[in-house]
Amino acid sequence: AQSVTQPDIHITVSEGASLELRCNYSYGATPYLFWYVQSPGQGLQLLLKYFSGDTLVQGIKGFEAEFKRSQSSFNLRKPSVHWSDAAEYFCAVGAHSGNTGKLIFGQGTTLQVKP
Amino acid sequence: KAGVTQTPRYLIKTRGQQVTLSCSPISGHRSVSWYQQTPGQGLQFLFEYFSETQRNKGNFPGRFSGRQFSNSRSEMNVSTLELGDSALYLCASSLGRKSTDTQYFGPGTRLTVL
Repeated sequence: AQSVTQPDIHITVSEGASLELRCNYSYGATPYLFWYVQSPGQGLQLLLKYFSGDTLVQGIKGFEAEFKRSQSSFNLRKPSVHWSDAAEYFCAVGAHSGNTGKLIFGQGTTLQVKP
Repeated sequence: KAGVTQTPRYLIKTRGQQVTLSCSPISGHRSVSWYQQTPGQGLQFLFEYFSETQRNKGNFPGRFSGRQFSNSRSEMNVSTLELGDSALYLCASSLGRKSTDTQYFGPGTRLTVL
């Protein structure tokens, strides 16, 4: 069965420091992978997505993620965190085949940014 | 272009009641999906609609139902509410129903069951 694991429930980083949020997936084939961000009281906003091709994908707000098939990982990175990045981050996997937009989400990682 | 809108934003009900939540997708989008978000279970897929037909359903009891209208607007209904139904219900719309179609999420409806 498809599943997504985000090992870190809560992460605290200082403003200006680099960030890496971990995501591991379980899927029978190469999955479609997504990172979403949710600010308090808001819905989910898509940061970036990976379907195929270059394994390093660039997203909005200065985020990037790298797909590593050998490690079944899709970690999210940002070189310098801003206070406004404090939010909850979700990794998700989508079906590679079939006509469905269904997403399976990880449990989320809450990012706190220290001044 | 307006985003996905959900109404109402907040709702308080008591056990045993029923509730209807509404979702208006982005103009031109034909697919609508619903998700339940709770602290314990996280984000879980409820159902997906395309062209007024339910195309996919998550592992939820029959008390959870939905529909989609010809203008792509969608409603979900929960009957005989239980305390555990308290959650943020998120709606997402996309142009089509392929995995590569970006899902745009609304702000959600916060349902509290007392």
